Amino acid sequence: KAGVTQTPRYLIKTRGQQVTLSCSPISGHRSVSWYQQTPGQGLQFLFEYFSETQRNKGNFPGRFSGRQFSNSRSEMNVSTLELGDSALYLCASSLGLGNTEAFFGQGTRLTVV
Amino acid sequence: GENVEQHPSTLSVQEGDSAVIKCTYSDSASNYFPWYKQELGKGPQLIIDIRSNVGEKKDQRIAVTLNKTAKHFSLHITETQPEDSAVYFCAATPYNQGGKLIFGQGTELSVKP
Repeated sequence: KAGVTQTPRYLIKTRGQQVTLSCSPISGHRSVSWYQQTPGQGLQFLFEYFSETQRNKGNFPGRFSGRQFSNSRSEMNVSTLELGDSALYLCASSLGLGNTEAFFGQGTRLTVV
Repeated sequence: GENVEQHPSTLSVQEGDSAVIKCTYSDSASNYFPWYKQELGKGPQLIIDIRSNVGEKKDQRIAVTLNKTAKHFSLHITETQPEDSAVYFCAATPYNQGGKLIFGQGTELSVKP
């Protein structure tokens, strides 16, 4: 069974640009959650999508947005990039019904210069 | 909202010794507590989890205990091996927010041969 796939693995963007990251969940999983990991703030929850609807949201500015498609694949978009957005962005997939195990992808390393 | 504190931030043990990592949470309604292991360059890997209706769970050399009254849970690794060296994260899911994980700050475990 294939795991969670995130693309691309690495990205370098310039301040002010926007970026889109992609996450393909484990087959059969309907929930995709996104996290930002930085050395200073650790792992922080961005948002969760379930059946194409945002179900939970963290405390990030509106520049961070996401969506989920009918095949459960999800994308995350960050607009007007800031230097502080440099981080490892991780997505996790789960069945989404109640508290079920979440499995993470390898992440996308975003560097903003 | 939920807050998770994790201690210690670094832990060094000799191969064969036991390692214990402790976490406390603030929201008494949280009901799901997973532990993740993250190796360099990889996404977090789920190693064990516990739900609020269980006090202890064991899987080979790894065990987790939960004390709901005190709102803390711990990871126990016995007979440590060099391949156990990694960063370990505890997490909690707030009640009725399945798909949202609040993480502790992480513990860097080093197992010396």
